Amino acid sequence: QVQLVQSGAEVKKPGASVKVSCKTSGYTFSNYYMHWVRQAPGQGPEWLGIINPRAGTTKSAQKFQGRVSLTRDTSTTTVYMELYNLRSDDTAVYFCARGDSSGFGLFDYWGQGTLVTVSS
Amino acid sequence: EIVLTQSPGTLSLSPGERATLSCWASQILSSNYLAWYQQKPGQAPRLLIQGASRRATGIPDRFSGSGSGTDFSLTISRLEPEDVAVYYCQQYGNSPFTFGPGTKVDIK
Repeated sequence: QVQLVQSGAEVKKPGASVKVSCKTSGYTFSNYYMHWVRQAPGQGPEWLGIINPRAGTTKSAQKFQGRVSLTRDTSTTTVYMELYNLRSDDTAVYFCARGDSSGFGLFDYWGQGTLVTVSS
Repeated sequence: EIVLTQSPGTLSLSPGERATLSCWASQILSSNYLAWYQQKPGQAPRLLIQGASRRATGIPDRFSGSGSGTDFSLTISRLEPEDVAVYYCQQYGNSPFTFGPGTKVDIK
């Protein structure tokens, strides 16, 4: 069965960076795009970006450009999201979510979420 | 960026009643690339509906979606206690992929 297992909760200070991992299993890793979505407390989900696991190419939402890096390790079928220069309003639960094979943003499987808290 | 608006903000109904949730897009969604997700507290969103009206795998038939262009709706035909959740619409055809603010469904 498809599984996306994320790394544990993080507490960071403003200005620091955080790297969240998402270990995938149960499907052909290179056949499906992977997305990152975050959800601040009491808010709706917000899309951060997408990675093509086969080519390693990425695209991020404009508000995160220059501040987010999406990477993958095909040997371990794991994707990573690193967010730099953290601010207090980056406090949120971060999810990886599997997309389709075409790059559209329809998410059929989700990780369990990783709480990132930014506080001085 | 496509902006999605949802109403009502909260819906309180009795078990067995019909729930109708609305979602409007700021521009026409190509090929009706509109999805609905259900999110329960402490959980990730769960895909219910894609392509505006196609139920995802394993979703009960009391959930149905309709609409086209800019106006969409999700109907729960007979509300059950386990349907208490926040429901989000999402457009997935144009990057950035955006979500609505959600409708919270409660049981009276």
